[in-house]
Amino acid sequence: GAVVSQHPSRVICKSGTSVKIECRSLDFQATTMFWYRQFPKQSLMLMATSNEGSKATYEQGVEKDKFLINHASLTLSTLTVTSAHPEDSSFYICSATTGSGVTQYFGPGTRLLVL
Amino acid sequence: DQQVKQNSPSLSVQEGRISILNCDYTNSMFDYFLWYKKYPAEGPTFLISISSIKDKNEDGRFTVFLNKSAKHLSLHIVPSQPGDSAVYFCAASEQVSTGRRALTFGSGTRLQVQP
Repeated sequence: GAVVSQHPSRVICKSGTSVKIECRSLDFQATTMFWYRQFPKQSLMLMATSNEGSKATYEQGVEKDKFLINHASLTLSTLTVTSAHPEDSSFYICSATTGSGVTQYFGPGTRLLVL
Repeated sequence: DQQVKQNSPSLSVQEGRISILNCDYTNSMFDYFLWYKKYPAEGPTFLISISSIKDKNEDGRFTVFLNKSAKHLSLHIVPSQPGDSAVYFCAASEQVSTGRRALTFGSGTRLQVQP
């Protein structure tokens, strides 16, 4: 149980384009989903927290207009990187929790490369 | 300021022996601690957790010890197997607002189990 999927697993795009990443909880309802970013050889940095049906809460330093998060249902959250630039190239990972659960279950991650 | 620290970036252990991964934290508001295992280009996989009201939790080959007074926790893997080779992240959880929790990750320790 507690399986989280992400799509796509890898994406290469041109600078200036927008990229959408989907995060789905496959066998449970995720009341809260999280989006992280990981730079090479570094830890996971939380970007934002989203609850189904409400606006995402962004961490300090994360541009909400650049990283659009939508949590449309209890099983789906999307992260859209708008007007992507090479510095946005990174590994993006989502996670999800159920109810008041503490444990976060992570998706497999999406490798974004902006040329 | 790193609130969760894993001071050993890497650890090498012989197969069959015990692996001990350490983690220190500074925030006394953390009330739940988790260990995750991560392979390259994949999302973290949840291993084991412990509430701050306990000092030990065991699950098969994995045991987590918590010393609240020292703000220190450790993950013991025994016996270690080559398949355990991965990066291990320590994470700490606190309630940041009503119904909202946040996970703070350490920088990770790369474990290599030699056959």
